[in-house]
Amino acid sequence: GQQVMQIPQYQHVQEGEDFTTYCNSSTTLSNIQWYKQRPGGHPVFLIQLVKSGEVKKQKRLTFQFGEAKKNSSLHITATQTTDVGTYFCAGQNSGTYKYIFGTGTRLKVLA
Amino acid sequence: EAQVTQNPRYLITVTGKKLTVTCSQNMNHEYMSWYRQDPGLGLRQIYYSMNVEVTDKGDVPEGYKVSRKEKRNFPLILESPSPNQTSLYFCASSSGGEFWPTYNEQFFGPGTRLTVL
Repeated sequence: GQQVMQIPQYQHVQEGEDFTTYCNSSTTLSNIQWYKQRPGGHPVFLIQLVKSGEVKKQKRLTFQFGEAKKNSSLHITATQTTDVGTYFCAGQNSGTYKYIFGTGTRLKVLA
Repeated sequence: EAQVTQNPRYLITVTGKKLTVTCSQNMNHEYMSWYRQDPGLGLRQIYYSMNVEVTDKGDVPEGYKVSRKEKRNFPLILESPSPNQTSLYFCASSSGGEFWPTYNEQFFGPGTRLTVL
């Protein structure tokens, strides 16, 4: 079945350092979403990417969707303690309403 | 306030005792979904519903039932819970319909932590 692999599983960074998490799908996606989950909380939507090669920015966060629509990345510039949490990607195939979530990357930011 | 609510938030039960976890949204969303979250496995979709009376299986539907009789409610039913269904469960909703897939932000409920002994 379809899989979405996400790496790394954990990342510890010093405050101010950059952070990147990657998602790779075994199949071509129609779109990909990114979510953030704070410890003890629920996933919160960050962004959705639909077009091949799409790049979107939200302040210090940069999201990319690969040309082949099988991979995606989230990059955070100059991390802050407020960035702590687990980041998930969620992919969707064309013609289906199912979502496949990556296993998540847990980010810890050391002050 | 736009929100997805789930009840109960915490539940400890015993094997075989039927239970229902309720989910309700007040955003008039067409799409609703149930996920379970387990350490190291991320979120896995159990069932989803595109609209009233329309439901379909996600990746891990075994042991679960759902119904969508009203647009706002999407209960998750465990007819005979087993210990391997101990997990954190999230309900989510999104607008769906004509906005699919251009804009389909999922709004998640606060979660229900279920323990089956």
